[in-house]
Parts: sequence; structure tokens; C-alpha cells
Amino acid sequence: EIVVTQSPGTLSLSPGERAILSCRASQSVRNNFLAWYQQKPGQAPRLLIYAASSRATGIPDRFSGSGSGTDFTLSISRLEAEDFAVYYCQQYGSSKTFGQGTRVEIK
Amino acid sequence: EVQLVESGGGLVQPGGSLRLSCEVSGFTFSSYWMAWVRQAPGKGLEWVANIKQDESEKYFVESVRGRFTISRDNAKNSLYLQMNSLRVEDTAVYYCVRDVLGGHFDFWGQGTLVTVSS
Repeated sequence: EIVVTQSPGTLSLSPGERAILSCRASQSVRNNFLAWYQQKPGQAPRLLIYAASSRATGIPDRFSGSGSGTDFTLSISRLEAEDFAVYYCQQYGSSKTFGQGTRVEIK
Repeated sequence: EVQLVESGGGLVQPGGSLRLSCEVSGFTFSSYWMAWVRQAPGKGLEWVANIKQDESEKYFVESVRGRFTISRDNAKNSLYLQMNSLRVEDTAVYYCVRDVLGGHFDFWGQGTLVTVSS
């Protein structure tokens, strides 16, 4: 099983700042099949990025994904109030496993 | 508008059974893989199972294999999860999700809570 590890556990930032979230897989992810989701309290997760760098429909361009192999990054260029949430990465190159999440909180 | 509506959650004793249902609308159900993803209280996400359009392929996370079954009824636009031999650690919100080509999940229901407790 591919283990996916996210860092940091919590990111404390101010609105307008840039957020960089990391996702590392224990083995190379086939075809860079890596997705990112956002979850707000009491809500279902929402797909942001798939195939490492493709934005899902309706996702603002301040969200971008990059990386390949075992190391992937989600960047949020300028944090807005609605971006403070928990973010999960998921690999789907071999079965499917999620990271443990990164909480982006207001500093 | 794509909608996925789960039902069937509730309180069940360890060793018991429960059947979850998910009714979908807003897209051609029979054209998509579907899946269940769960989230224990205060914890992260865990993929549980997924199923191909014609039920010819079904996959499960190791922890539920042999206890849970997944099925679908394309005529009723519905997805199901039969959960048997339930354990305390199966307690979670269960989400019905649309699975793109057996990969990532682009639409999610609001979830149904399953509590396994004596």
C-alpha cells in the first residue's frame, strides 16, 4: 500500500499570504495520479486538483498543483477568507489512499 | 445539477448489519464508476470501496474486505453498501462519491453517519 504523508499538520497564515502544502508518497505514484480536496467544517470534501496539476471545474486559478513521482505540492497564491479549511491529498495510482490532512488556519 | 443523497445510516451494535443507499441525479449514473469514502469522527478520509459501471469490477479496502459488499442498480440510479459484522472502528460518516475512471472523486454526497456501539 502506498502511504501518503502531508506536511505541515497545521499552517497558520494571514489572508493574502501564499500557502504551500506538501504531499509525499512512499512510492512513486503511477502517472502522477494525485488529487487534492478541500474540506470545511460540517461539509463534504470538494475536489480541487486531479492528475497532480489539473484544476477541477469551477476552482479558482489561485489554486495550483505541481509535482511528480513521490513529491507533490498544492499552492494557494493569495489566501482568501473562504480558503481556511483542511486539505487532503489522495493518490490513485495504486488503489487509493489519502494523506492525513493539513489544516490551514487564520493567524 | 449533480446530486448524491445517502440514506440508511444509524446506530447499530457490534456484529450487526446495515445497508446504505445513495440515490443520484444530474448525470448519467450508468456511465460512471461509483465509490464509498468514510471519515471517522474528527479523523481523515478513507476510501472504502468502488464499483465499475456494469459491476464487473469491485474493489475494497483491506479492513472491510469480506464484510462489506458494494452494488448498484443503474435503472434506479442508486448505489448501495451492505455492511455486515460491523465493528466499533467502522463508526464514521460514509460518503457516496462519483469516481472518475476508478480514480479520483469529483462529486460527493453530504454523508450518512454510521455509529457502531453497544
